[in-house]
Amino acid sequence: DSGVTQTPKHLITATGQRVTLRCSPRSGDLSVYWYQQSLDQGLQFLIQYYNGEERAKGNILERFSAQQFPDLHSELNLSSLELGDSALYFCASSPRDGALEQYFGPGTRLTVT
Amino acid sequence: SQQGEEDPQALSIQEGENATMNCSYKTSINNLQWYRQNSGRGLVHLILIRSNEREKHSGRLRVTLDTSKKSSSLLITASRAADTASYFCATDAIWDSSYKLIFGSGTRLLVRP
Repeated sequence: DSGVTQTPKHLITATGQRVTLRCSPRSGDLSVYWYQQSLDQGLQFLIQYYNGEERAKGNILERFSAQQFPDLHSELNLSSLELGDSALYFCASSPRDGALEQYFGPGTRLTVT
Repeated sequence: SQQGEEDPQALSIQEGENATMNCSYKTSINNLQWYRQNSGRGLVHLILIRSNEREKHSGRLRVTLDTSKKSSSLLITASRAADTASYFCATDAIWDSSYKLIFGSGTRLLVRP
C-alpha cells in the first residue's frame, strides 16, 4: 500500500459526459501527478500540482482539467468524453517537486461507451 | 515522445532463471528509476540510480547505468512467479523549467512456475 488513494476504482460512462477523479496523496506529500495509461499510448504524464499550484503540464487535453485543494487532495476533471479517453488514470505523489521517487495510487479505470 | 524505451517488449522465462531488461534513453539525465506494475495496478518504485553511479543493488535486483551509451539494465536474479509484472524505466526530463519523470513503454515479464 503506497498511501495514495484514488476514487472511484472503476467508472463507466457515456460519450459526451463529464467525470471527476479524486486523489489523496500520501500524508505530507506536497506534489501530486496525474498520468493516463492506455494500451496504445503507454503511461503519459498529464499534469502536476505542487502545494496547490499547477507546476507542469504534460500531454493533457483541453477537455481535461485538474486542481489541488488546500488539504492537498487533487481532482482530475474529464469532460466531453470520447471513446479514446478510456484508460487507467493514475495519481502519484512525492514529498517535493522534482523527478525523484513517486508513489502511485491504485488507479481509476475509466470506460467510455 | 518517450524518453526511455525498454527492450525487450516481452520476456518469458522459467522460475529460477535470471531476467534482464534494458532501457535506452535520448537526453542527459540526473537519475534513472525502475518501476514495477502488476496487471492493472499502480506502479511501485523499485530502485533509483543517479547519473554518477554505475551499478546499484537491492535484494535480487541489480541495475546498471551507462551514461555514455544512454542505457540502463535491470537484472532480476533467481526469478519467482511473483515477479511476473511489467517493468518500466523512468528518466528525468526538463519540463516547464523543472525535472519530471518520463516513463518508457515497459517490458512485460512472465515467469513460468
